[in-house]
Amino acid sequence: AIRITQSPSSLSASTGDRVTITCRASQGISSYLAWYQQKPGKAPKLLIYAASTLQSGVPSRFSGSGSGTDFTLTISCLQSEDFATYYCQQYYSYPQTFGQGTKVEIK
Amino acid sequence: EVQLVESGGGLVQPGGSLRLSCAASGFTFSSYSMNWVRQAPGKGLEWVSYISSSSSTIYYADSVKGRFTISRDNAKNSLYLQMNSLRDEDTAVYYCARDSRKIVGATLHDAFDIWGQGTMVTVSS
Repeated sequence: AIRITQSPSSLSASTGDRVTITCRASQGISSYLAWYQQKPGKAPKLLIYAASTLQSGVPSRFSGSGSGTDFTLTISCLQSEDFATYYCQQYYSYPQTFGQGTKVEIK
Repeated sequence: EVQLVESGGGLVQPGGSLRLSCAASGFTFSSYSMNWVRQAPGKGLEWVSYISSSSSTIYYADSVKGRFTISRDNAKNSLYLQMNSLRDEDTAVYYCARDSRKIVGATLHDAFDIWGQGTMVTVSS
């Protein structure tokens, strides 16, 4: 199975900050990577697919980059509603695998 | 409104069985592949199983292979997960999720664009 290493596991930031989360795959996955946001007690929400394509309705302050093994999610100007846990997922091959998650907390 | 609604969760003893259902509405269910994803309390997301639109292709995580069975009824717009020989470590919220079927360039991308609200399964004596 492809392992996904996500970092950091948590971070503290303030509203207006730029935040970056990274995922590294144990082998090349081309651009078959997605990013999700999850708030407590809620289902995950798709933010980005194909490594860099914004899902419809997602604010443009979210962006994704990368290909192959290294990927990044950037939130350009953190808003109060962005405090949540973020997961990356590879869907290049089965079993599909998720990163461990990054909890973005208020500083 | 595009929607997935899970049901069937509950408390079951180790070694017991449970059948989860996921009712789809607001889209052509028979055109989409579907998945089950679970999340143990306080933990991350774990993909569990996949079924193609026609049920011709099925995959399972190693952790559930031989114990869980995914199925669907396109006439009833429903997805199922039959869970047998349940273990403590199967305790989790179980979500059904739709493959997105997005085309980027000339490539099909199947991230999970629609999720249900989840149903809790607790395995405990």
